[in-house]
Amino acid sequence: GAGVSQSPSNKVTEKGKDVELRCDPISGHTALYWYRQSLGQGLEFLIYFQGNSAPDKSGLPSDRFSAERTGGSVSTLTIQRTQQEDSAVYLCASSLGLSVGTEAFFGQGTRLTVV
Amino acid sequence: QQQVKQSPQSLIVQKGGISIINCAYENTAFDYFPWYQQFPGKGPALLIAIRPDVSEKKEGRFTISFNKSAKQFSLHIMDSQPGDSATYFCAASTPRGYGGSQGNLIFGKGTKLSVKP
Repeated sequence: GAGVSQSPSNKVTEKGKDVELRCDPISGHTALYWYRQSLGQGLEFLIYFQGNSAPDKSGLPSDRFSAERTGGSVSTLTIQRTQQEDSAVYLCASSLGLSVGTEAFFGQGTRLTVV
Repeated sequence: QQQVKQSPQSLIVQKGGISIINCAYENTAFDYFPWYQQFPGKGPALLIAIRPDVSEKKEGRFTISFNKSAKQFSLHIMDSQPGDSATYFCAASTPRGYGGSQGNLIFGKGTKLSVKP
């Protein structure tokens, strides 16, 4: 595809259920980022993948959150035992990652609502 | 935790006026400073970016001013238009390999700009 694709665009889930959010980065982009944006808030860093290096997981808020990136392409963010405070827009971005300063392209995000 | 502090949280400007958004950072290893623009319901998009080896970069009505010694940078929008109404985020990143970092991109909390006609 031409841009970063995220699915689903909207997800409503019951408290306590697990959810999986998917990100398809731009083809050839080695860097992939996940951010969380709560209503009216900034972009909270969650996790960063760069090529085959170990991911930077320093932003994951709890052990209920995990992410993986298969084959250096598609990434899945998993939230286990969802809580109401997990409700937010989850944004994925990718970049060429060849050097610092390459543009990060964002997807439209997945709006997660935990009821 | 690396931080980028952004102000103001919200800004109202009259059409034709100058919008100014400021950011400050702590980590002197940051070496790339982009600004992103986000419209409601959309993901952020790169607006303009600067490296610390220059003090100013201009693209059309948008200018970044960078003060390395003060560890501050700002976005100036000249002749602000209602179509500029959006949320603006500053960001910063470190080189890959610095302090174990892999070149992560850290954002400020954003500024909601409203340009009144």
